[in-house]
Amino acid sequence: DGGITQSPKYLFRKEGQNVTLSCEQNLNHDAMYWYRQDPGQGLRLIYYSQIVNDFQKGDIAEGYSVSREKKESFPLTVTSAQKNPTAFYLCASTPGLADLKNIQYFGAGTRLSVL
Amino acid sequence: AQSVTQLDSHVSVSEGTPVLLRCNYSSSYSPSLFWYVQHPNKGLQLLLKYTSAATLVKGINGFEAEFKKSETSFHLTKPSAHMSDAAEYFCVVSGNSGYALNFGKGTSLLVTP
Repeated sequence: DGGITQSPKYLFRKEGQNVTLSCEQNLNHDAMYWYRQDPGQGLRLIYYSQIVNDFQKGDIAEGYSVSREKKESFPLTVTSAQKNPTAFYLCASTPGLADLKNIQYFGAGTRLSVL
Repeated sequence: AQSVTQLDSHVSVSEGTPVLLRCNYSSSYSPSLFWYVQHPNKGLQLLLKYTSAATLVKGINGFEAEFKKSETSFHLTKPSAHMSDAAEYFCVVSGNSGYALNFGKGTSLLVTP
């Protein structure tokens, strides 16, 4: 089955620790995105990548880093500089086709909590 | 710049009654508009999308939405609610750049027996 796989489902971070959230897609989509979801605030864009080896900051990139070494993978690292990392993190992807580029397909999410 | 406002943070309906989830948008050009649904601890699933074709858009699970440019609205409706419709619903507006999706803050739909 084609889709987006996020792992782990639940993740705990100790103070001062960096943690990495995995996002893998087998949809052959060009663009990938990371969102943060907090209760009552909708989704906010952290980073996005429209092509391999290229990525752009979203609205709330501070304290996060990403890489895009392979088309199918877009891992997100939550660094120790992110002082309030507790949230639900969603990865999404978009086909490269112009008429479908606005439709995003989402993974099931990773819930990150601070110990 | 484009933005979207979901007018109700919570909506409660009885099973079998109509559903109305309200969304207003602002955009400096013709937008693409979407409704997504999210069940607890799950990702988002596309319900329907409007991209300047027919103003009445039909989606999955019996949902539909009507684009009204004069009212800058894109309300989501369903004639008869089912228990499985209980979820969080997001109205989303997109511009020409492709990546720039703006999400509303969500409406939590509760369906009571």
